[in-house]
Amino acid sequence: GAGVSQSPRYKVAKRGQDVALRCDPISGHVSLFWYQQALGQGPEFLTYFQNEAQLDKSGLPSDRFFAERPEGSVSTLKIQRTQQEDSAVYLCASSLRDRGSTDTQYFGPGTRLTVL
Amino acid sequence: GDSVTQMEGPVTLSEEAFLTINCTYTATGYPSLFWYVQYPGEGLQLLLKATKADDKGSNKGFEATYRKETTSFHLEKGSVQVSDSAVYFCALTVSNDYKLSFGAGTTVTVRA
Repeated sequence: GAGVSQSPRYKVAKRGQDVALRCDPISGHVSLFWYQQALGQGPEFLTYFQNEAQLDKSGLPSDRFFAERPEGSVSTLKIQRTQQEDSAVYLCASSLRDRGSTDTQYFGPGTRLTVL
Repeated sequence: GDSVTQMEGPVTLSEEAFLTINCTYTATGYPSLFWYVQYPGEGLQLLLKATKADDKGSNKGFEATYRKETTSFHLEKGSVQVSDSAVYFCALTVSNDYKLSFGAGTTVTVRA
């Protein structure tokens, strides 16, 4: 079966450009997460969706970051006016049930964003 | 806040050597503990997990025991193979939370 997919795999942006990163979770998974992984570090939580509802966006580093999951399936992470410090790998993960469960989070391959 | 501290790498071993990667945690609630692995060019995969004290998670010859008294979840494998070369991440979630908090990762290289 298909796992979590993300596109593009690599993105190079000039400082100040807007970017959109796509995540296709495993079909039927209720929960969807976005994480940011800086070079040489572990992933850090950005935001959480339960179906189409964004229930936690406490990890988004600034108001330039915006995420949506309008139909409770595909999600898009948008970064406006990109800065060099936004350079990182952006990971998407999905899990079967809602928050509070210890269901396994399945990760996609990530999008490596480089801001020049 | 909730956090994980794991052994810094890189770690380089010969095939069939014993591997230990230390992981300790700080948590306000009752955490579930995880080890994730990232093989070269691939995404993060769950290696094993333990959801309560004294539980032992195991998979692919790897083991880790949830030790509440020492707040630890050390990863061990008795005989590593070249194919075990990867980055290993210790992580936790706290009950009724859903966010994974990760350590910085430990790069392991196994030489033939």
